[in-house]
Parts: sequence; C-alpha cells; structure tokens
Amino acid sequence: DAGVTQSPTHLIKTRGQHVTLRCSPISGHKSVSWYQQVLGQGPQFIFQYYEKEERGRGNFPDRFSARQFPNYSSELNVNALLLGDSALYLCASSFPHSTNEKLFFGSGTQLSVL
Amino acid sequence: DQQVKQNSPSLSVQEGRISILNCDYTNSMFDYFLWYKKYPAEGPTFLISISSIKDKNEDGRFTVFLNKSAKHLSLHIVPSQPGDSAVYFCAASGGSSNTGKLIFGQGTTLQVKP
Repeated sequence: DAGVTQSPTHLIKTRGQHVTLRCSPISGHKSVSWYQQVLGQGPQFIFQYYEKEERGRGNFPDRFSARQFPNYSSELNVNALLLGDSALYLCASSFPHSTNEKLFFGSGTQLSVL
Repeated sequence: DQQVKQNSPSLSVQEGRISILNCDYTNSMFDYFLWYKKYPAEGPTFLISISSIKDKNEDGRFTVFLNKSAKHLSLHIVPSQPGDSAVYFCAASGGSSNTGKLIFGQGTTLQVKP
C-alpha cells in the first residue's frame, strides 16, 4: 500500500511569492495534518483537517491556509512568503479523528525562500 | 512555551549497549505520548507509544517508560544497532485543545557506533 505522498519534494521560491503544497493520505485515512519543521527543531502543528473540515489550527499567521478535498487529499497554501518560511513541510494522515493520534508522515516538501 | 522538551540534542552509544533517550513535558493534561524516528530525507516514522494510564510499554527492543509525577518519559533501546542511528522525537497529545494535534520535542540525534 502507498504511504503518504507529498509533492513537490523540493521547492525554491522568492520572498513575496505564493506556494501550494500537496498531500495524498494513506488510502482509507480521512484525517490530514500539516506540520512545519525548521532545521534543528521538532515538527510544529499547522492544521488538521477531517472530513474536509478544519479541526485544529496551530499558531501560524493567516498567510497559511489549507483545504481538504472529497478524496481526502489536501493542499497547504502559503501567501506572501517570508525568509522564515523556509522549512520542511510535513503532511501526516490518520484514520479516525481522536485525541490519541498515531500519525503517518510523508517525506515532506523542502521549501527554500530566497 | 516549549511544552515538550528533549534536553539532550545528541547521544552516542556503542553497538550492543543500551540507548536511553529522555523527554520532559509540562502539561499535565497530556494523555498520550509517542516516539518517532526520523532518517534524513524521510518523514518521521512511528516507533512506540504509551497512554497516560500506563507506566511502561514494550515492543521488541524498544521500551517506553512514563513517570507522570515527574512529567518525564524515556525510550530505551536494547541492544542498540547501527541502523538505529537517527533523530528521535518525543511527542504528546491531549490537553485542552483536543484537536488531535501532536506537540513535538526538539529531537535527539542518536549515533550508534559499530
């Protein structure tokens, strides 16, 4: 079975641009979460979507937005990119929406903002 | 406000010996704890978890211990193998937000020497 897939794997943008990252969850998984991992730190929660609805949002500015599609895939959008947005963006999926989340992560999208 | 802390950025052990990775947390509402392993250019991979109603969980060479009074958990790897060399993240869930998000520590880089 395919795991969580993310695209693209690498991306280079300049300040002020917009970026869209994509994620396909494991088949049968209905919940998708997005995390940002800055070098030397642990992943930080950005969003969780379940059944196409936002179920949680981390401490990120409104420049960050996301959505989930009927097939449970998801997009993360970041507007007006800043240098500090350079990070590894991880998507994770899980089956039931619960507090005891065992998340399955994709390999991530490495975003570099110049 | 770092709710989950891994105070040792790195650990080096000899093959065959025990590796002990530590994690501290501050939020007493956390009710589920997980350990993830991450290799370069890959997403985090689930290793082992423990519910707050237990104080120990074992899976093969991996054992997680939870000390709720000290708000401390540890991961023991016995015996350590070179393939265990990776970054290990402690994560916690639960708390007042109840959105299913995970809060990660900063990670500990484990090197197992042959």
